[in-house]
Amino acid sequence: GEDVEQSLFLSVREGDSSVINCTYTDSSSTYLYWYKQEPGAGLQLLTYIFSNMDMKQDQRLTVLLNKKDKHLSLRIADTQTGDSAIYFCAESNTGGFKTIFGAGTRLFVKA
Amino acid sequence: NAGVTQTPKFQVLKTGQSMTLQCAQDMNHNSMYWYRQDPGMGLRLIYYSASEGTTDKGEVPNGYNVSRLNKREFSLRLESAAPSQTSVYFCASSVSGQGGYTFGSGTRLTVV
Repeated sequence: GEDVEQSLFLSVREGDSSVINCTYTDSSSTYLYWYKQEPGAGLQLLTYIFSNMDMKQDQRLTVLLNKKDKHLSLRIADTQTGDSAIYFCAESNTGGFKTIFGAGTRLFVKA
Repeated sequence: NAGVTQTPKFQVLKTGQSMTLQCAQDMNHNSMYWYRQDPGMGLRLIYYSASEGTTDKGEVPNGYNVSRLNKREFSLRLESAAPSQTSVYFCASSVSGQGGYTFGSGTRLTVV
């Protein structure tokens, strides 16, 4: 079946940039998403990108998509301690209701 | 506040007991979902309802049933709970199948 893979942990210093990577297998993916989950809370949609785009920027967040390699990344500029959370990559395809989530990357931000 | 509301937030069941997890959204979304989250496994889809009056199985439907009561409410029922159903359950909703979901805050269920 379709799969989404992410590294499990990332540690950065406050003020540095964080880059969280994700690979997916579904070549028919239409939408690719990044969600953030803080402790004890549900997932919060951060941003998403259409598969016909290469890049999307939203304030401190930059999403890069390499469709050929099925690789998605999320860059967080000037990472703050409040960015410490689990970040989930997800994908869905046209007309589908079965969004596939990765296992999540836990981001630690050191002061 | 607009959003997805789940009840209860915590529950402990004995093996074999039954219970219903409730979910309601007030955003006039058409589609609703139930996911379970287990450590290291991300979220797995249990059931979804693309629109009022329809429900479909997801990746892990065994041991669960759902009811789309109306456009706002989508409940998940465990008829005979098993320890393997110990998990955190999330309800979500969306306008359609695309564009991202709004999640509830989750129900932490322990089956002993």
